[in-house]
Amino acid sequence: NAGVTQTPKFQVLKTGQSMTLQCAQDMNHNSMYWYRQDPGMGLRLIYYSASEGTTDKGEVPDGYNVSRLKKQNFLLGLESAAPSQTSVYFCASSYSTGPQRETQYFGPGTRLLVL
Amino acid sequence: GQQLNQSPQSMFIQEGEDVSMNCTSSSIFNTWLWYKQDPGEGPVLLIALYKAGELTSNGRLTAQFGITRKDSFLNISASIPSDVGIYFCAGQKIGSGNTGKLIFGQGTTLQVKP
Repeated sequence: NAGVTQTPKFQVLKTGQSMTLQCAQDMNHNSMYWYRQDPGMGLRLIYYSASEGTTDKGEVPDGYNVSRLKKQNFLLGLESAAPSQTSVYFCASSYSTGPQRETQYFGPGTRLLVL
Repeated sequence: GQQLNQSPQSMFIQEGEDVSMNCTSSSIFNTWLWYKQDPGEGPVLLIALYKAGELTSNGRLTAQFGITRKDSFLNISASIPSDVGIYFCAGQKIGSGNTGKLIFGQGTTLQVKP
């Protein structure tokens, strides 16, 4: 099993450009998450998906959109990139939804620079 | 929003020394998790705690779930160079509408001098 994979690993954008970050998991997990990591801020939840076809906002959703059309994939879109979106983006997945304790497994990250 | 205060922010220690770090919150959590992040990698789970007062070990690592359910501690004994990295605490509220969302601390950067 590859676990959680993310593409691309690195990306440089100009302000106003759009792009999609891709995340895939092969563990048949129900829940998937997108986080951003900034120095001194820890990881902050952007969006999450409790199941295929459903998505919900996290702590910092502004400027992003997501898509969960297939159980194994969770896409994060930037419609019009801004320098404030320069960050490291992590995707994670976990098996269960609802009121259960679950470990989240993280991908290797996508490093995004917006000029 | 909810915040976890993690301290210290950074530590620079000698190989062989013990390390302690902690997280506190203004909210009650039902689960505490400790992750380690190596440079250029995603966080990897070290220890999960599910009950107030629980003390759990994983090799040289020991973590405790505070009695008040608002704090947690991680100790590393006899540190070695490969312990270098960023350690994150994360709290998880379980209940309707929360769907396993994690709240992360700001991280503790650990450097070990051989």
